[in-house]
Parts: sequence; C-alpha cells; structure tokens
Amino acid sequence: DAGVTQSPTHLIKTRGQQVTLRCSPKSGHDTVSWYQQALGQGPQFIFQYYEEEERQRGNFPDRFSGHQFPNYSSELNVNALLLGDSALYLCASSLGPFILGANYGYTFGSGTRLTVV
Amino acid sequence: GQQVMQIPQYQHVQEGEDFTTYCNSSTTLSNIQWYKQRPGGHPVFLIQLVKSGEVKKQKRLTFQFGEAKKNSSLHITATQTTDVGTYFCAGGTTSGTYKYIFGTGTRLKVLA
Repeated sequence: DAGVTQSPTHLIKTRGQQVTLRCSPKSGHDTVSWYQQALGQGPQFIFQYYEEEERQRGNFPDRFSGHQFPNYSSELNVNALLLGDSALYLCASSLGPFILGANYGYTFGSGTRLTVV
Repeated sequence: GQQVMQIPQYQHVQEGEDFTTYCNSSTTLSNIQWYKQRPGGHPVFLIQLVKSGEVKKQKRLTFQFGEAKKNSSLHITATQTTDVGTYFCAGGTTSGTYKYIFGTGTRLKVLA
C-alpha cells in the first residue's frame, strides 16, 4: 500500500536559507495539501494543489510556494527562513480537492521536521 | 477569520472512564472530519460527518454533528490506554474557498 511519502524526515537550516520539501501522494490520489504544525498546535493549512495548480491558500506569506508535477507529487518551498518557520510540515493527499459524501478523509504523510537555527 | 476551537485542551482520565471533546466553529461548516494523532505521529483519519444532526459510531467512539453545523463532539466510552493521543476536528468550509480548518486539538492521556 503506497501511502503518502515525505522527504526528508528531518532538516536543519539556517535563518535566511531556502528549503524544499517533497511529497508523493497515496496511489490513486490526485490532490495534495500542505499543512504546518507547530509543537502542541493543530495543523495550519498552507495551500492545496490540484491539476498542477494552487487551488486554495491559507494565511501564509509569499515566502511559501509550491508546485505539483504531472505525476501528482508536490514540493513545498520556503524562502528566507525565519526561526518561526520551525515546525512539522505535513503533506496530505486526497482524491479531489474537497471531500464530501464518501467516508474518507485526507491521508497524511509522516511529515518533515524542519528546524531553523 | 474562520476559527475552529476545541475544548478541553487537555484531558487526563483513568482507564475505563469516558471522555468527550467538543469542537466549535465560528462559521457554518459544510462537513467535519475527525483525526487522531498519536505522540510523535501524524494525523490519521477517523470519520467524516456531513449531515446536520448526524451521529456516527465506531465501536467505543461516538461522533455527533450539530444541527446548525457549527459544532461537533467526539465521545469515547470506557477509555483504554490505546486511546492516548490528540484528537483534532477539521471543519470543511466553502466560504470563499474550499478548505479544511483544523481545530486546536484535545490531548488525551489515559492513566492505567
């Protein structure tokens, strides 16, 4: 069963640097959503990609950007890293951008733990 | 902006006791999902509720969606140590854009 795969699992970066996180969705899923989860907090929605376009976006600055490839995999890029960007970055895949009707939800990856020093 | 709050933030119960977490949205939701996140893990989907007043059960877990579709609850009967984790609700909203807003979470600790 090909679940959601994220890489790398851990990353340490310096303030001001740039980082790219990667996500391969669950087999059969075509939509990827990215979330930021600070320690002890709930996941915060960053953006969602469907059909290789950013469809929805949360309250995150333009330093956060992404991409979706024809094979549905996705990247999250963060420029000019700040200490406050330290968090667990979760990728969630789904079939379609918004789920109603059928009883299934997002499938989350194990996340990338980003530490900015 | 839209917010989804959960109470309580933390709950410690003795094994065998019941547990309830409440989820409240500032706006009407299209649907609501519940997730469980074990310590050090990632959220795992539990269930989705779509209809006003809907009630669903999964073994010892009972989920409810309020009549106004602005609140929801998760009740666990006779907790077990395997229930430990943080429970999140995620409200689906179509206001402006389609997205899910996660609640603040309730961290459950079960004492054996």
